[in-house]
Amino acid sequence: EDKVVQSPLSLVVHEGDTVTLNCSYEVTNFRSLLWYKQEKKAPTFLFMLTSSGIEKKSGRLSSILDKKELFSILNITATQTGDSAVYLCAVERTSGSRLTFGEGTQLTVNP
Amino acid sequence: NAGVMQNPRHLVRRRGQEARLRCSPMKGHSHVYWYRQLPEEGLKFMVYLQKENIIDESGMPKERFSAEFPKEGPSILRIQQVVRGDSAAYFCASSLHPEGYTFGSGTRLTVV
Repeated sequence: EDKVVQSPLSLVVHEGDTVTLNCSYEVTNFRSLLWYKQEKKAPTFLFMLTSSGIEKKSGRLSSILDKKELFSILNITATQTGDSAVYLCAVERTSGSRLTFGEGTQLTVNP
Repeated sequence: NAGVMQNPRHLVRRRGQEARLRCSPMKGHSHVYWYRQLPEEGLKFMVYLQKENIIDESGMPKERFSAEFPKEGPSILRIQQVVRGDSAAYFCASSLHPEGYTFGSGTRLTVV
């Protein structure tokens, strides 16, 4: 059975701090790893990673995948209160398109 | 393009009643997925449908739950004889191809 484990489950920081969220996975026939941000409603897409070692970047957010060690990290620099949310990691198989999600990391950024 | 539309946003049902959750995918999208999110947990896959076909229902409970995506109209997730444990947020996602999901805002079901 596919498995996704995120850590930490909860994180509280101050504005301006840099955070690193972790995601490790076990999946048969890996196709991609995805990061989502969820703020009490629909998860919104952040990144899709398919290749090892290639950093994806969007503003203050970046992410990288290690397919050998089976993990990914999501970095957020110069955090703002608007970054407070649950960050979800999910993996997709090559066969079929269901996603397996981790439990998420609840990030709280205090002013 | 209004995105993925789910309704109702909130639904309250008494134990034993039926719950019907609707999902209208993005225009032109023919793949629909349903996920359930229990409190303090991640999303769990339930079912994957294309127009008039169930492709993968391996995440659906064997009893009381059913889903359809008719040729015309929204996808429906139906829960018969609801119990307290069915209380959760139910999210629908759609895609043009089997990748690149867009999620709806979810239906929060509360069983009292």
